[in-house]
Amino acid sequence: GAGVSQTPSNKVTEKGKYVELRCDPISGHTALYWYRQSLGQGPEFLIYFQGTGAADDSGLPNDRFFAVRPEGSVSTLKIQRTERGDSAVYLCASSSRGGVRGNEQFFGPGTRLTVL
Amino acid sequence: DQQVKQNSPSLSVQEGRISILNCDYTNSMFDYFLWYKKYPAEGPTFLISISSIKDKNEDGRFTVFLNKSAKHLSLHIVPSQPGDSAVYFCAASAQEYGNKLVFGAGTILRVKS
Repeated sequence: GAGVSQTPSNKVTEKGKYVELRCDPISGHTALYWYRQSLGQGPEFLIYFQGTGAADDSGLPNDRFFAVRPEGSVSTLKIQRTERGDSAVYLCASSSRGGVRGNEQFFGPGTRLTVL
Repeated sequence: DQQVKQNSPSLSVQEGRISILNCDYTNSMFDYFLWYKKYPAEGPTFLISISSIKDKNEDGRFTVFLNKSAKHLSLHIVPSQPGDSAVYFCAASAQEYGNKLVFGAGTILRVKS
């Protein structure tokens, strides 16, 4: 079956611009996560959705970052006034249930964002 | 403050031999640990996990060992195969922190044939 998909695979933008990154989770997965991976580091948690609501957004670095999941499936990560430090690979993951130990997260291939 | 540390940036092993990847953590609240494998241009893929109530979990060629008193876990791959060459990430989670995973920086494993 289809895994987690993310679009675009690559995004190059200029400093100060607005970008949207999209994630399509595995069908039927209620939990969705966004992570950010900078060069030479592991993924860093940004936000977690259970259904349509953000259950934990403690990882969002500042108010330029926002994410939505209006119908409980596809999610969009939105970054306003991009800065060069936002350059990273943005990973999305989904799992069939949130809040259950042993319920592994399945990752998409990521979107590589480059801010010039 | 890195709560999950993988101190070896890379490891090179001969095909057929054992690969041992190490991971240390500092937060005693962590009670569930996972290993992910990542190939270039792909997302991390789940390999194996272990709960803090256990000290060992085995799945085929992969075994994870947990030493809670030392706050240390390791992933053993036996025998190593060239297709195992990838970046391996250790991750941890805590019941109190919900479902977020805290990752280490990763170890690049190269298996030479």
